[in-house]
Amino acid sequence: SYELTQPPSVSVSPGQTARITCSGDALAKQYAYWYQQKPGQAPVLVMYKDSERPSGIPARFSGSNSGTTVTLTISGVQADDEADYYCQSADSSDTYVVFGGGTKLTVL
Amino acid sequence: EVQVVESGGGLVKTGESLRLSCAASGFTFRDAWMTWVRQAPGKGLEWVGRVKRKTDGGTTDYAAPVKGRFTISRDDSKNTLYLQMNGLKTEDTAVYYCAICRPTGGWFDPWGQGTLVTVSS
Repeated sequence: SYELTQPPSVSVSPGQTARITCSGDALAKQYAYWYQQKPGQAPVLVMYKDSERPSGIPARFSGSNSGTTVTLTISGVQADDEADYYCQSADSSDTYVVFGGGTKLTVL
Repeated sequence: EVQVVESGGGLVKTGESLRLSCAASGFTFRDAWMTWVRQAPGKGLEWVGRVKRKTDGGTTDYAAPVKGRFTISRDDSKNTLYLQMNGLKTEDTAVYYCAICRPTGGWFDPWGQGTLVTVSS
């Protein structure tokens, strides 16, 4: 089965840069997508096709891909960015979707 | 406004069935691939399955834990997506979200607010 691996938690102080990684073999051939989920709310797309930012998502959110690892970077972190972040991709046949285990971003 | 709204959740016992609905508005439903994702209490997101648009065959794909028990269908005349869940297990307890697959496959956006399914023994 195909897996995506994320760190369980990342902590940063306000104004600093948070980097959340997502690793998986298929990421070398498949795009990654990122979602932000705040407590009690549905997930919201914050990045698609590795590094494309949807309209309405602040420019401090950016994404990158370096082979089998993708990274969601949040520059100038704000208290409102505290949330769970999930990466998503697909297997090499594009048949099955997989999510990473999620990363809890804590703003100290 | 593009919107999807889930309904039909509730409390059921193990082995019973339940059907969830997802009402779509603000976009051309028949042109969209649609997906279901679930989230067990305190856990991460888990993909359940998807249905393609009719012009792409209208076929379905399912995650291993639900294959053979869950069925995804769509009624394009009613702009509604369904998830028929049979043989429910306690481990199926979760909030179930529907979402649009963009553009066809790929990412999910937007998501509905979710509907809670609780399976008790």
